[in-house]
Amino acid sequence: KQEVTQIPAALSVPEGENLVLNCSFTDSAIYNLQWFRQDPGKGLTSLLLIQSSQREQTSGRLNASLDKSSGRSTLYIAASQPGDSATYLCAVMISGTYKYIFGTGTRLKVLA
Amino acid sequence: NAGVTQTPKFRVLKTGQSMTLLCAQDMNHEYMYWYRQDPGMGLRLIHYSVGEGTTAKGEVPDGYNVSRLKKQNFLLGLESAAPSQTSVYFCASSYSPGGPSYEQYFGPGTRLTVT
Repeated sequence: KQEVTQIPAALSVPEGENLVLNCSFTDSAIYNLQWFRQDPGKGLTSLLLIQSSQREQTSGRLNASLDKSSGRSTLYIAASQPGDSATYLCAVMISGTYKYIFGTGTRLKVLA
Repeated sequence: NAGVTQTPKFRVLKTGQSMTLLCAQDMNHEYMYWYRQDPGMGLRLIHYSVGEGTTAKGEVPDGYNVSRLKKQNFLLGLESAAPSQTSVYFCASSYSPGGPSYEQYFGPGTRLTVT
């Protein structure tokens, strides 16, 4: 059974720091991996999607990498800002299905 | 282009009452999903649909039913609400035929309280 883990559960950093959020999954048979941002009381906003054949994707200050063989993905945020404060979730799409399994998220706080 | 919308935004039910949550998308997506989000447990898949007229069970389907009579709508029903169904419910959709990816798009959520 696919399990997705995000460590740490919470993170607090000063503004301007570069930071890395981690996502690990137990079964490498995935079709893609997607990173989301969730603000308190809101829905999920898609940040980046990496296909299983890709190694990384970039959007602005965000860079996501994927290592399928080791079951890991990282989300790199450059020059963090207070506006980056949110919960970040990763989700994997299981190969051969249309289902996604989510991690429990990392709650990020960027201090001004 | 509204994306994914959910109705209602908030609802309070008494134990044993029934209700239907409506999800609508205007992106011509084939796949639609219902999740629930509980503190400390992330999002869990309740039911999903891979096309009009199809439905399938996710991780936590008990106590819920769904229907996808039209491609753009996905309904989630609670026949006899229980306090354990107090949660925030999210709908998502993905995949346009001929599109490049299975990126999921989410609605704003429905906060349901069962007393």
